[in-house]
Order: sequence, then structure tokens, then C-alpha cells
Amino acid sequence: LAKTTQPISMDSYEGQEVNITCSHNNIATNDYITWYQQFPSQGPRFIIQGYKTKVTNEVASLFIPADRKSSTLSLPRVSLSDTAVYYCLVGVAFSGSARQLTFGSGTQLTVLP
Amino acid sequence: NAGVTQTPKFRVLKTGQSMTLLCAQDMNHEYMYWYRQDPGMGLRLIHYSVGEGTTAKGEVPDGYNVSRLKKQNFLLGLESAAPSQTSVYFCASAGRADEQFFGPGTRLTVL
Repeated sequence: LAKTTQPISMDSYEGQEVNITCSHNNIATNDYITWYQQFPSQGPRFIIQGYKTKVTNEVASLFIPADRKSSTLSLPRVSLSDTAVYYCLVGVAFSGSARQLTFGSGTQLTVLP
Repeated sequence: NAGVTQTPKFRVLKTGQSMTLLCAQDMNHEYMYWYRQDPGMGLRLIHYSVGEGTTAKGEVPDGYNVSRLKKQNFLLGLESAAPSQTSVYFCASAGRADEQFFGPGTRLTVL
């Protein structure tokens, strides 16, 4: 299983850009990198997924260096409602032989006014 | 389009009792998963399914059984509940590798 390491917690202020880095040293060739967001008492919600370089959608960007051993989730101009736990996952769930996906402990992001 | 639904939302069991949690999805997804989340922890995969009629063990399968008789449903059973199984249980489904859609969760307390 590809293991991930993230900071336990981060604080930011409204309007700032937040970057959360995830380390995944034993990522496999076929693995994708996926980030989820979880609010209290809710199931996680998909944010973004990427394989290499940079991916951007309407809510976030994902930066992946050439060696793919880490990735950075970037949240532009955060608001109080972005306070949540953010999980980094690495893996390819099912393509012939099944592989497990592992949620780590995640990063608790707290946005302050 | 309800997405992923879970039944029940809350349940209290006594040690040794059995119960079944139901997960249903209406997105025609092949892959379905059961996770548990303990307070302050990340999600841990219990069992998963890659299609109708198939199931496989995840990270923490002991004490649980699953069945996927219909593509849209994934059942999680506890044959003899233990206090260590007190947790929030999340079901998820996916149409492709890693974009999972999660249900609202079932909060289970075992006394």
C-alpha cells in the first residue's frame, strides 16, 4: 500500500492561499493522487485528482513534481467554510487486480477570520 | 438522483447483537466500499466490491461480513457486535478508480 504523510493541522486566515503537502515516497507507476475534503459528521467529498504536473479545477489546484513522491493541494483565497479535514490518497483502486486505497489521518485546516 | 444513501443513520446495539447496514447507490457504479471512522481518525477500509457478486477484504475486515447481490446495494453485517465496533460507518461508490462518492454515514454505538 502506498503510504501518505501529511501535516496534522494547519491554520490560515480568510482570503489567503493555503498549500497542503502530502508525501508519498513509494508511489507506484500506475498510481493517481486524489484529495478529499471532509466536514464534521459528513462523508468525504472528492476535490481533485492528478497523475503528474498540474491539475486545476474550479475549487483547487494540484501540483505534482516530476518524481511524484509528493503533491501539493492549493486552495486559493480560503474562506471560513473551507475549515475541514483534507485527505491525500494514492493508488489505483481497481484495474484487473484490486488494490486498496488508504486514507491517512488527514490535515485539519482551520481558517480564521 | 439520490447518490449514495445509508440505512439506518443511527443505531445502538448491545454486545453480541447482530445487525446489517444497507448502502444503496443509483449511479450505476461498479465499485462500492465500506469504511469505518473512529473519533479523530481517518477512514479505514473494511470491505469492498469491484462488481455485483464480488467482495474482498480491506484493511480491517475482522468481525464484519458483506454481500453485493445487486449492483446497486452493498450490505455490511455485524454478526456479534462488540464495543470496539462503535464507530461511524461510511459507504462509498465509484465509477472509476479514485473518485468515490460517500454516503452520509451510520453512527453505531455498541454497549
